[in-house]
Amino acid sequence: GAVVSQHPSWVICKSGTSVKIECRSLDFQATTMFWYRQFPKQSLMLMATSNEGSKATYEQGVEKDKFLINHASLTLSTLTVTSAHPEDSSFYICSARGWDRRDEKLFFGSGTQLSVL
Amino acid sequence: AQSVTQLDSQVPVFEEAPVELRCNYSSSVSVYLFWYVQYPNQGLQLLLKYLSGSTLVKGINGFEAEFNKSQTSFHLRKPSVHISDTAEYFCAVSTGGGNKLTFGTGTQLKVEL
Repeated sequence: GAVVSQHPSWVICKSGTSVKIECRSLDFQATTMFWYRQFPKQSLMLMATSNEGSKATYEQGVEKDKFLINHASLTLSTLTVTSAHPEDSSFYICSARGWDRRDEKLFFGSGTQLSVL
Repeated sequence: AQSVTQLDSQVPVFEEAPVELRCNYSSSVSVYLFWYVQYPNQGLQLLLKYLSGSTLVKGINGFEAEFNKSQTSFHLRKPSVHISDTAEYFCAVSTGGGNKLTFGTGTQLKVEL
């Protein structure tokens, strides 16, 4: 089946630094990828939708200058948290839309736990 | 806008017992409904989905869910659980065919011997 690889699985950084999270579709081409954030005991919240070769569409309340999304190829999307602060500490999950046995599905990465000190 | 409510944050159950994980949604338009499972250190996997047609949907690993429009519910059931079913289960809703999903807060299913 289709697989989405998300890296790193966890990262600790100092306040003010930037962190890049990668999301790769390993055996399929993903024209659309989604980035979610999950705080403890809360649901996954959609942050943005990225389409290959175009600018990402951000959900209301998500700062596009803080959460930079690049979808340069059909198999890779990156989320960069710029000038991270402790309140950005969260679990970030990507998903990619692709086909599996003639059925269009969303495939999820295993997530990245970001801790900002 | 749509929303999803999973009232039970944790559900403990003994192995081979039946289980029901509750999910209620609200939306002003027709919806598509999904259940995802997340095993430790893994990504979310689709268990089953309701797009249209029969309201009883069967998924992988012996799970099924029933769409009840009048009660705006999509509860997940399994007649006999196994230890390996221990995981986090997320209910989700979409109005656009499964692309932009709104998730519930998740239910931790813990199966005990």
